[in-house]
Amino acid sequence: QVQLQESGPGLVKPSQTLSLTCTVSGGSITSGGYYWTWIRQHPGKGLEWIGYVYHSGNAYYNPSLKSGAAISVDTSKNEFSLRLSSVTAADTATYYCARVSRISGNYCFDSWGQGTLVSVSS
Amino acid sequence: IQVTQSPSSLSASVGDRVTITCRASQSIGTFLNWYQQRPGEAPSLLIYSSSTLQSGVPSRFSGSGSGTDFTLTISTLQPEDFATYFCQQSFSTLSITFGQGTRLEI
Repeated sequence: QVQLQESGPGLVKPSQTLSLTCTVSGGSITSGGYYWTWIRQHPGKGLEWIGYVYHSGNAYYNPSLKSGAAISVDTSKNEFSLRLSSVTAADTATYYCARVSRISGNYCFDSWGQGTLVSVSS
Repeated sequence: IQVTQSPSSLSASVGDRVTITCRASQSIGTFLNWYQQRPGEAPSLLIYSSSTLQSGVPSRFSGSGSGTDFTLTISTLQPEDFATYFCQQSFSTLSITFGQGTRLEI
């Protein structure tokens, strides 16, 4: 059974870049035709999809995001990463990585990491 | 595409039958998924493609709907079902959106 684990700093200063990594275990990031995604949840709020990446490196992002997001993949390490530039306090959230299953055109998130809280503060 | 859940919160008792609804701002076929999030945990997939139960999910959970109106039903509430539930649409795969959540309380 695939497992995902987020890692990265829990505190980032405003205007700096937030960087998180998701390590995938129990399966190869290149198999199964899955996408790999980042989702965040502001404190006490709902879920916001950030974007997803394929093992080829092709990535797609939520057009509603104000901060510049970049998702990359490192197949040699079986991990994928999120970079969010020029962060503000509004980027304070719990960040989840997850696997995207594509079933007859429907995209659902069937495995999730435990989440990591990132606070943006000076 | 916006998805609106109702109610935003709901009080119920063990053994009750509960229904949560999700309405999309345009027709999305059956590209609608449901998640459960217990406090302090990550969300987990309950139902995908409107009505298909994810492996390992108890049969007291069911989903239905197509187009713009969808429902999640829990037939007989168990103590572990008190959580927050989210719907998510993937009709627009480059603009995936979630409902705002329904908090199910005892």
